[in-house]
Amino acid sequence: DTAVSQTPKYLVTQMGNDKSIKCEQNLGHDTMYWYKQDSKKFLKIMFSYNNKELIINETVPNRFSPKSPDKAHLNLHINSLELGDSAVYFCASSLGQGRDYNEQFFGPGTRLTVL
Amino acid sequence: AQKVTQAQTEISVVEKEDVTLDCVYETRDTTYYLFWYKQPPSGELVFLIRRNSFDEQNEISGRYSWNFQKSTSSFNFTITASQVVDSAVYFCAFYRDDKIIFGKGTRLHILP
Repeated sequence: DTAVSQTPKYLVTQMGNDKSIKCEQNLGHDTMYWYKQDSKKFLKIMFSYNNKELIINETVPNRFSPKSPDKAHLNLHINSLELGDSAVYFCASSLGQGRDYNEQFFGPGTRLTVL
Repeated sequence: AQKVTQAQTEISVVEKEDVTLDCVYETRDTTYYLFWYKQPPSGELVFLIRRNSFDEQNEISGRYSWNFQKSTSSFNFTITASQVVDSAVYFCAFYRDDKIIFGKGTRLHILP
C-alpha cells in the first residue's frame, strides 16, 4: 500500500527529448509537490498544487510543466531535456496548507539522467 | 526571507557515541513549522518530526531527541547511542505560507 508512488524510478534519456514522470498518492491529501534534488543533495521545491490548482511555481524553466488531472495525481512533463536536468525528482503530498498544514510524505524519487 | 542553515556539512562519529545535528532558521514570522527528515543511502525521504512555532517543548522518541529554542532560532537534533543504521543525510526544513524550505542537509556517518 504505497502512499506516494512515482514512475519510473529511473529514467535515462538523450538531450533534447521530452519525458514525463508520474506521481500518485492514495492518502487523500489535498496538496502535492514536485522537488528537485541535485547532485549535492540540495532539495528545492519546484511546484505545488492544491486541489488541482497551481499554488507555487518556483522560477522553474517553462520546459517543466506539471499537470494535475485530479487531486491524487501530479505529473511532471519535461520538454527539450538538458544535461542540467539530471537530478532526482521527488513527488510529495500533504494534508492541508497554511495553518492546517501537516508534514509532507515523499515518493521514492525518480532518478533522471540526461546524456 | 526565510532561511534554514545546517552548518555541519558532514559528521563522522563512532557507533554508540551521541551526536547533535544543528539547525538554525531565520524568519520574522511568528507562525511556522519546523521539520526534520532523514534520507538514508537508499534515497527515500523519511519524515521524523514536525514542530510548530508555538510549541517549544523538547521531544524524545527513542534514541532521537529534538531541542527547539525560539530564542536562538534553533531546532537541533540529537541521536543518542548512535548506530550504523543512523548513517544518512538529515534535513531540517521550515514551512510557512505553503512553502517548505530545506536546509542543505548534514551527512552523518556512523562508523562501526
